[in-house]
Amino acid sequence: EVRLLESGGDLVQPGGSLRLSCEASGFTFSIYAMSWVRQAPGKGLEWVSTISGNAGSTYIAESVRGRFSISRDNSKHTVYLQMNSLRAEDTALYFCAKEATGVGGEIDDWGQGTLVTVSS
Amino acid sequence: AIQMTQSPSSLSASVGDRVTITCRASQGIGNDLAWYLQKPGKAPKLLIYAISNLQSGVPSRFSGSGSGSDFTLTISSLQPEDFATYYCQQHYNFPRTFGQGTKVEVK
Repeated sequence: EVRLLESGGDLVQPGGSLRLSCEASGFTFSIYAMSWVRQAPGKGLEWVSTISGNAGSTYIAESVRGRFSISRDNSKHTVYLQMNSLRAEDTALYFCAKEATGVGGEIDDWGQGTLVTVSS
Repeated sequence: AIQMTQSPSSLSASVGDRVTITCRASQGIGNDLAWYLQKPGKAPKLLIYAISNLQSGVPSRFSGSGSGSDFTLTISSLQPEDFATYYCQQHYNFPRTFGQGTKVEVK
C-alpha cells in the first residue's frame, strides 16, 4: 500500500521560510516522479512542483519560481519542498503526490496534506 | 501554459441521475488527461487516466471520453458517495494545469 506522509506545515510570518517533507512507503520510491500540489482555502488544485525519480529534472510553477525549490533523498524515501520568501497567497494545504511514471504521468496517489499559513 | 476549462462549475443532481462534466484544453494534449474526485477535507483521488482508463478500484459507473482538446467525464448513475468536486488535469507538459473544478451537489 502506497503511503505518503507530509510534515512541516506551520504558521509563518510573511517573508519567512519553511521546509515541507513527504516520507513515502509502499513502492519503489526512486522510480517515480514526485510532485507537490497545493489548495488554497476554498479554492481549486494548483500544481507547484515536480521532480523526476532520479532527481535529474525539476519543474516549478511560475508563481513560486525563485522562492520554492524541490528536492528528494531516495535513500530516505523523502521528497522536500523548500519554501522561502513566503507570501500570504502561499497559504494553502500542500499535498505530496506520486506520479504514475518516472515523469509525465498522472498522479495516482496523494498524501493527506500539510497546512501552511502565512500571516503576521 | 495550457488552460483547462471545466463546465459546469457546479451542478445539482439526484441519486440515479446521469451526470456529464466537460473539460476543454486550450490546445491538444494527446491522451494526457486525468480526472480526480475530491471530497471536503480529503485528498483528491484518481478516477480516470489517459482519457478513458478507469483507475483500479473505481466503479464502472464512471467513464471518460474525448480526444484532442475536448474531454468528458460521465457518471452513469449517481450514487450518494459521488457528491464531491471533480477536477480534470493535463500532464502533457509543464506547468501541469487543473480545471477549476465541478462541484456535484444534491438536488
